[in-house]
Amino acid sequence: SQTIHQWPATLVQPVGSPLSLECTVEGTSNPNLYWYRQAAGRGLQLLFYSVGIGQISSEVPQNLSASRPQDRQFILSSKKLLLSDSGFYLCAWSGGPAGETEAFFGQGTRLTVV
Amino acid sequence: AQSVTQLGSHVSVSEGALVLLRCNYSSSVPPYLFWYVQYPNQGLQLLLKYTTGATLVKGINGFEAEFKKSETSFHLTKPSAHMSDAAEYFCAVTLYTDKLIFGTGTRLQVFP
Repeated sequence: SQTIHQWPATLVQPVGSPLSLECTVEGTSNPNLYWYRQAAGRGLQLLFYSVGIGQISSEVPQNLSASRPQDRQFILSSKKLLLSDSGFYLCAWSGGPAGETEAFFGQGTRLTVV
Repeated sequence: AQSVTQLGSHVSVSEGALVLLRCNYSSSVPPYLFWYVQYPNQGLQLLLKYTTGATLVKGINGFEAEFKKSETSFHLTKPSAHMSDAAEYFCAVTLYTDKLIFGTGTRLQVFP
């Protein structure tokens, strides 16, 4: 069966420090991968999605970047965090060979920038 | 481009009352539609989905939703609310496994 791992669960970082959040998927191949951010009272904002290795689409201009170095690995990064980067970050996958239409989510990372 | 609108950021009902959460979509062709539930500090869990076929879709925990093309709606209902239904609910749309777009969410409160 397919599983998605996202870590860390919580993170407190100072302003100006770098960020790296990692997400990996097991049990499927060639999935679509997504990074969402959930700020208090603002729903889920799609940040990046990827349909294949090295293929990244950015939805919102911002202080963050994403990379997909391997088929089932998706990384969210920042060189210098801002206070406004605080939020709940969710990784998700969909598609794959079975063509699953729904997205499957990780447990999320609570990022607090201080 | 596809999008979804959820009317009402907060909905409050009494235990045992009807739950109705509204979702309208915008798409040039019928999309795939989803409802997800999120409990505090957790990821999202799929409640139900509409892809093709029967327009009335039944999901987990007694929820169901009806796809109405003429109204471009996909409202979520449950005949009788339970305390454990208190959570945040998200409607989402995708166009044939393209990017998945979510609404802003509706927080459901259930009072005893």
